[in-house]
Amino acid sequence: GESVGLHLPTLSVQEGDNSIINCAYSNSASDYFIWYKQESGKGPQFIIDIRSNMDKRQGQRVTVLLNKTVKHLSLQIAATQPGDSAVYFCAEKGYGNKLVFGAGTILRVKS
Amino acid sequence: ETGVTQSPTHLIKTRGQQVTLRCSSQSGHNTVSWYQQALGQGPQFIFQYYREEENGRGNFPPRFSGLQFPNYSSELNVNALELDDSALYLCASSIWTGANEQYFGPGTRLTVT
Repeated sequence: GESVGLHLPTLSVQEGDNSIINCAYSNSASDYFIWYKQESGKGPQFIIDIRSNMDKRQGQRVTVLLNKTVKHLSLQIAATQPGDSAVYFCAEKGYGNKLVFGAGTILRVKS
Repeated sequence: ETGVTQSPTHLIKTRGQQVTLRCSSQSGHNTVSWYQQALGQGPQFIFQYYREEENGRGNFPPRFSGLQFPNYSSELNVNALELDDSALYLCASSIWTGANEQYFGPGTRLTVT
């Protein structure tokens, strides 16, 4: 079956430091892996995606790394800011175009 | 903020009742997906609608049903409510059925007592 999970439920970082949020997945057949950010009282917001035939993709202040050998996905946020405080979900594109979300990691940024 | 709106914001129902939740998609988006998010968990896919037809369904029983209208807005209906149906219900619109970037609304918080 499909499942996506996260190693760390809560991550606290100092403002200005880099953050790394990790995710493990189980479905090797997924075409895409996606990161979403959910702030309190809001719906999830798309951050970045990566196709399964890639191992790295960069966006604005974010980098996603995919290691298919160990079925591991990570999101790196450079120079973390207070506005980055949120719950971060990894998701995979499952059968029929549905998104399968993991449980989430809380990122807390200390000023 | 996305252009996706949902109503109502909060809702309290009694076990056994029926509920209808509404979603207006972002302009230009023809696909709507519904998710259930229990407290402290990630969203769980319920189903997707495209061109007024159901286009994929997650592991939810038939008492969860939906509609999509010609203007691409959508409804989620849940019959015979159970206590475990208490959750945040999220609607997401996208420009096509396979889009990774889905635009989520703020959700409807449903409490079943």
